Amino acid sequence: KNQVEQSPQSLIILEGKNCTLQCNYTVSPFSNLRWYKQDTGRGPVSLTIMTFSENTKSNGRYTATLDADTKQSSLHITASQLSDSASYICVVSGYIMLSFGAGTTVTVRA
Amino acid sequence: NAGVTQTPKFQVLKTGQSMTLQCAQDMNHEYMSWYRQDPGMGLRLIHYSVGAGITDQGEVPNGYNVSRSTTEDFPLRLLSAAPSQTSVYFCASSYSGTEDSLEVFFGSGTQLSVL
Repeated sequence: KNQVEQSPQSLIILEGKNCTLQCNYTVSPFSNLRWYKQDTGRGPVSLTIMTFSENTKSNGRYTATLDADTKQSSLHITASQLSDSASYICVVSGYIMLSFGAGTTVTVRA
Repeated sequence: NAGVTQTPKFQVLKTGQSMTLQCAQDMNHEYMSWYRQDPGMGLRLIHYSVGAGITDQGEVPNGYNVSRSTTEDFPLRLLSAAPSQTSVYFCASSYSGTEDSLEVFFGSGTQLSVL
């Protein structure tokens, strides 16, 4: 069964600090891996999309990495801002279907 | 462009009642889908459509019906609501005819409570 596991479940960081979220997956075959940001009461919004051949991709202060050999990905948030408070969802595509992680809830405090 | 529009935003039902969650997109997308999001779980696919007149079941289709009479609209019907259907529902759409489309757009969600 295709699975996407995210850790930690939640974290709290101070404004201006960095943090890293983890995603491990067992989806096969593998097409691409995406990170979404979901604000409270809103739908997910795409941050990055990486295919098999891509190791890293950035979107402003968000940097995602992918190790297709170990089936692991991370999302690094640099110099966090209050607006980064949200749930971050790892999504793995297996060509036909998407498999969603449960998300990591990030709270940024002033 | 409004993107993907879902209505209502919130809904409370009694067990056994029926209702329809509306979803519309103005991007001329072929692929549309419905997900439910429950605490501690990833989004799960309920039903999807690869084009007008074509629908299929996802991972958790029981208790839900869909139809796709136009490219723009993809309503989700709860035939007889049950407390287990209490959840947040998201409609999504994308350009290609599969869920694997690189760009997927989500609506803002419908929070449904069944008492």
